[in-house]
Amino acid sequence: QVQLVQSGAEVKKPGASVKVSCKASGYIFINYLIHWVRQAPGQSLEWMGWIKPASGNTKYSQNVQDRVAITGDTSASTAYMELSSLRSEDTAVYYCARGLGDCLGGSCSPDVHTFDIWGQGTLVTVSS
Amino acid sequence: DIQMTQSPSTLSASVGDRIIITCRASQSFNDGLAWYQQKPGKAPQLLIYGASKLTPGVPPRFSGSGSGTEFTLTISSLQHPDDFATYYCQQYNRYPYTFGQGTKLEIE
Repeated sequence: QVQLVQSGAEVKKPGASVKVSCKASGYIFINYLIHWVRQAPGQSLEWMGWIKPASGNTKYSQNVQDRVAITGDTSASTAYMELSSLRSEDTAVYYCARGLGDCLGGSCSPDVHTFDIWGQGTLVTVSS
Repeated sequence: DIQMTQSPSTLSASVGDRIIITCRASQSFNDGLAWYQQKPGKAPQLLIYGASKLTPGVPPRFSGSGSGTEFTLTISSLQHPDDFATYYCQQYNRYPYTFGQGTKLEIE
């Protein structure tokens, strides 16, 4: 079945970096955007950015764009999100999510920026 | 950024009730609006996209409508325990994509 499986929980000190992986299976990885969304404890959801695995093109939220890098390994059907210069406010569950509808050729379906398949989430705790 | 404001923040209702959750946007747009359901400790699940399109596999008691700055999610007849969860709206009309603060639906 279609699924996204993320790497395990991380505990990091302020100022460090974290890299979370998201392995896709059950569909053609390069045909769909992968988004990253995070959720601080008891809070709402925050969109961070996306990658188009076929091209490696990315788009980031300006709220994190100076500290985040989203990459993809098409041979492993895996996307990665690396967040640097961590601070306590980055403590959250980080989700990868597949965009609804595919991107074939140079164009994407109109609803690719909604999220139809989600990973299980990765808790990143930033604490000294 | 487009701010998304949901109301109410908490809603108490009973099995069989019809409920409406509203999402208001700080800027107007047509149909780049989605609704998600989230249960404790789980990832969100997409219910509605394009403001009114039902995700395949989602029960038809869920429906969405609206445009401009006001959008609604309606559940026609609440089912226990499936529907008692937190609901979020999301706009994907302009970057950065933003979510509402959530509406927690509780059993009355």
